[in-house]
Amino acid sequence: GEDVEQSLFLSVREGDSSVINCTYTDSSSTYLYWYKQEPGAGLQLLTYIFSNMDMKQDQRLTVLLNKKDKHLSLRIADTQTGDSAIYFCAESGSSASKIIFGSGTRLSIRP
Amino acid sequence: DAGITQSPRHKVTETGTPVTLRCHQTENHRYMYWYRQDPGHGLRLIHYSYGVKDTDKGEVSDGYSVSRSKTEDFLLTLESATSSQTSVYFCAISDTGNTNTEAFFGQGTRLTVV
Repeated sequence: GEDVEQSLFLSVREGDSSVINCTYTDSSSTYLYWYKQEPGAGLQLLTYIFSNMDMKQDQRLTVLLNKKDKHLSLRIADTQTGDSAIYFCAESGSSASKIIFGSGTRLSIRP
Repeated sequence: DAGITQSPRHKVTETGTPVTLRCHQTENHRYMYWYRQDPGHGLRLIHYSYGVKDTDKGEVSDGYSVSRSKTEDFLLTLESATSSQTSVYFCAISDTGNTNTEAFFGQGTRLTVV
């Protein structure tokens, strides 16, 4: 079945870049997402990429997709304390399919 | 913000009692989901629905049942609550047929089983 995997924790120094990685198994994935969850809140969409793209940049965020290896990454440049959160990778296939989430990566920022 | 509300937001219940959590949406989205979130396990899918009366199991469905009698409501029931079901529960909705199948999440329900 479909599966999305990501590591549970990442710690970076303030001002450095954060790279959060994700792998997925569904070769028919059409949309790949990154969601952010701040403490005490639900998940909110951060950015997404279509499977026919290999990169998407949005201000400090860069999403890289390696479709051959089924690997997705989120790079946050100049990481700030406000970036502390849990980041979820997710994928969906065709327009008739549900969204599958990874277990989330907790990003912590050290001074 | 997408119109999705969960109730109650907090609940404390005793082991062995039944509990029902409600998710209500005003977006007319097809898919509705129930997740639980636990430290060290991240977000895990309990059940989901792809239409009225159409539901399917997720990866941690044991001890839970769901019902969807109307598009806007998705109920999660714990028939006999156990301490292992202490968790934060999130409802989510998503649509199909659009160019982006973004999922929207509720604010969560913190359930404590004592």
